[in-house]
Amino acid sequence: NAGVTQTPKFQVLKTGQSMTLQCAQDMNHNSMYWYRQDPGMGLRLIYYSASEGTTDKGEVPNGYNVSRLNKREFSLRLESAAPSQTSVYFCASSGRDRLNNEQFFGPGTRLTVL
Amino acid sequence: GIQVEQSPPDLILQEGANSTLRCNFSDSVNNLQWFHQNPWGQLINLFYIPSGTKQNGRLSATTVATERYSLLYISSSQTTDSGVYFCAVEYGDYKLSFGAGTTVTVRA
Repeated sequence: NAGVTQTPKFQVLKTGQSMTLQCAQDMNHNSMYWYRQDPGMGLRLIYYSASEGTTDKGEVPNGYNVSRLNKREFSLRLESAAPSQTSVYFCASSGRDRLNNEQFFGPGTRLTVL
Repeated sequence: GIQVEQSPPDLILQEGANSTLRCNFSDSVNNLQWFHQNPWGQLINLFYIPSGTKQNGRLSATTVATERYSLLYISSSQTTDSGVYFCAVEYGDYKLSFGAGTTVTVRA
């Protein structure tokens, strides 16, 4: 049981390049989330998927797109990377049960945009 | 959106000391989680605590939802307790809003 996994762990991009961050969970969770963490700050929600087939914007969606590929996988795409997107990106999942919606996080992807 | 404030922002402890971290939030929430972010960046789930008190070893947490705050207690601190502690509140459509964190440094 690996929990939430993310690839890659590190990435360096040049301004204008594109890339996709991958996330997978093996806990049979319904909901998945993408957050970013900037230095000295807490995490901020970029996009989330309440259930397979649905996606919604979070607090800071500009410059990103997402795809809920199936119940296990949720990807985050940067179409044209900008230096302001330098950050650590975390994926999370939860069961979306009113009695227990505890979120579990992956190890993060450290992205630098030059 | 919901505002989440954590205090203090930084805490330096001598090994063996006790401490209390506080989390205030600005509106009613569905739930609340405490996390520890270790020096390698991994977020470790500590407590999922919408109300009441829970204990896990040397750590315990209390949430008073009606007064919009939660407390995290660390007793007999160890160097492995160092890191950043985040409070996150669940609102709306199962979303989390995070505080800025408390950075804890435990010195041997």
